[in-house]
Amino acid sequence: KQEVTQIPAALSVPEGENLVLNCSFTDSAIYNLQWFRQDPGKGLTSLLLIQSSQREQTSGRLNASLDKSSGRSTLYIAASQPGDSATYLCAATNQAGTALIFGKGTTLSVSS
Amino acid sequence: NAGVMQNPRHLVRRRGQEARLRCSPMKGHSHVYWYRQLPEEGLKFMVYLQKENIIDESGMPKERFSAEFPKEGPSILRIQQVVRGDSAAYFCASSPEAEDYGYTFGSGTRLTVV
Repeated sequence: KQEVTQIPAALSVPEGENLVLNCSFTDSAIYNLQWFRQDPGKGLTSLLLIQSSQREQTSGRLNASLDKSSGRSTLYIAASQPGDSATYLCAATNQAGTALIFGKGTTLSVSS
Repeated sequence: NAGVMQNPRHLVRRRGQEARLRCSPMKGHSHVYWYRQLPEEGLKFMVYLQKENIIDESGMPKERFSAEFPKEGPSILRIQQVVRGDSAAYFCASSPEAEDYGYTFGSGTRLTVV
């Protein structure tokens, strides 16, 4: 059964800092791994999708890596901005590929 | 492309009433997923549907909850005889044919049971 864990649960950084959010998953037989952003009281915005055959994906200041063998993914945010403040969710597919299993998220606060 | 559309955005029901949540997937997407987010908890998978078929309902409570995705029209998540513990945000996501394309989520329906 797929389980996803995110560390840390919360993170506070000053503006401009580079930071790394960590995600681990128990079942390496995934179809893909997806990172999302959720603002308070809002829906989920997809940030990056890494398919099982890929090692990383980049979009602007965001870079996500995937290491299936160790069951880990990281989301790197460069030059953080106050607008990056949100909860970041990592999700990996279950073995059947019928669902995304979510971690509880990392709540990021970037101060100006 | 309007994205995944969920309605209503907010729904208030009294205990014992029925709640109907609707989800229209993105154009071209034939797979629909429902998730529930309880306060202070993560997103929990409920059910995965394709047109007219339930593919995986392993996350659905055994009683009072049902879902459908008819040939025409939106997907419906139905909660009968709601209780206070059903208060949560319910999110719908859709994806294209293959599993490799990721999910697109709607803005959610926030159900409050009073």
